[in-house]
Amino acid sequence: DAGVIQSPRHEVTEMGQEVTLRCKPISGHNSLFWYRQTMMRGLELLIYFNNNVPIDDSGMPEDRFSAKMPNASFSTLKIQPSEPRDSAVYFCASSLARGGKLFFGSGTQLSVL
Amino acid sequence: AQSVTQPDIHITVSEGASLELRCNYSYGATPYLFWYVQSPGQGLQLLLKYFSGDTLVQGIKGFEAEFKRSQSSFNLRKPSVHWSVAAEYFCAVGALYSGGGADGLTFGKGTHLIIQP
Repeated sequence: DAGVIQSPRHEVTEMGQEVTLRCKPISGHNSLFWYRQTMMRGLELLIYFNNNVPIDDSGMPEDRFSAKMPNASFSTLKIQPSEPRDSAVYFCASSLARGGKLFFGSGTQLSVL
Repeated sequence: AQSVTQPDIHITVSEGASLELRCNYSYGATPYLFWYVQSPGQGLQLLLKYFSGDTLVQGIKGFEAEFKRSQSSFNLRKPSVHWSVAAEYFCAVGALYSGGGADGLTFGKGTHLIIQP
């Protein structure tokens, strides 16, 4: 089992640029979560999907952030335009079913200069 | 709204000594509680969880945690630590999902565990 796969591992970009983070959940998992981790705010849930449908996006900080899950094996988190305060580690996690054990990817370290 | 407080940002423990990491939660109903561990550069891994039943739960790597409703606490313990457990530890609380299990986890800010030789 390959686990949850995130790409890229590191992203460095300039303020104003569009950033796209990618996630491939574990095969057969029906729920997918995007988290953001910073020193100040800890680990925050941004959005989660169940069967490719967004269930709760109340954690998405503002309209610059958007997430999609076009199919069961792929999700993206997009930031447009990016700002320095978006710098963080973004984690994707999946679970077999809603309410189940979370499996985390290794994260994407985003730096916006 | 649910919330989790981990009062200790850093904890330093000597190798071989016992460990207790504190976690306090706020939740209006029966909480579902979790402890996760994060090694440097890695995602989070589940150590243990409490849903119901016995208030002392056993997890992986020799960890245990005790749910105390009267104190709104779910402290993590290990009787003797090895240098390999140095990591970041996160407590989390979730809401009951009608289909089973916990939904929408809220995490604490973490406790950084340092092991002294």
